[in-house]
Amino acid sequence: SQQGEEDPQALSIQEGENATMNCSYKTSINNLQWYRQNSGRGLVHLILIRSNEREKHSGRLRVTLDTSKKSSSLLITASRAADTASYFCATVPGGGNKLVFGAGTILRVKS
Amino acid sequence: EAGVAQSPRYKIIEKRQSVAFWCNPISGHATLYWYQQILGQGPKLLIQFQNNGVVDDSQLPKDRFSAERLKGVDSTLKIQPAKLEDSAVYLCASSAQGASETQYFGPGTRLLVL
Repeated sequence: SQQGEEDPQALSIQEGENATMNCSYKTSINNLQWYRQNSGRGLVHLILIRSNEREKHSGRLRVTLDTSKKSSSLLITASRAADTASYFCATVPGGGNKLVFGAGTILRVKS
Repeated sequence: EAGVAQSPRYKIIEKRQSVAFWCNPISGHATLYWYQQILGQGPKLLIQFQNNGVVDDSQLPKDRFSAERLKGVDSTLKIQPAKLEDSAVYLCASSAQGASETQYFGPGTRLLVL
């Protein structure tokens, strides 16, 4: 069963613009993670935000978490062509012990 | 620190044949995961090991898929016999402890079943 759902499914922007991706989930969580996957490669962990945190930064990434709305957003500022990839949110549903991924957002940054 | 290693990177087989994938996790990581990623979808957990014991295999098609993690280190995933719908990327990941922690992924094995 799918826990997280990303929105939009695909996003195309110009280099230098900001990209925002959203994730909604269904059950309570301990934390929410964002991963990136470049074409044909494995996933790379970007950031983990705990349920008691509202915002977290890492370089050009900013993640917010709203547990009351069961949603998270990933903002990439000043995007680069190298940011072109699929982005997935993932959570461990409350009481569970496995990470469940959404279907992902495909980001294309045009140079 | 060496990352998660997987082999082979690509495999093409015919339906009803068997295939095996190998994974070597990051040294010292207790938990190892096998995911199946079908084109256009997110990874789906097939099996999760804690050391050499199975934590979750609820989504593993046990009539054709098997996995083992000998001595709590390397792991192999086998499909026998393969079906067309098994065409996917098989990802191995590891983490220091449980699923809530950061997981480190290998490059994956791309399987095509003809």
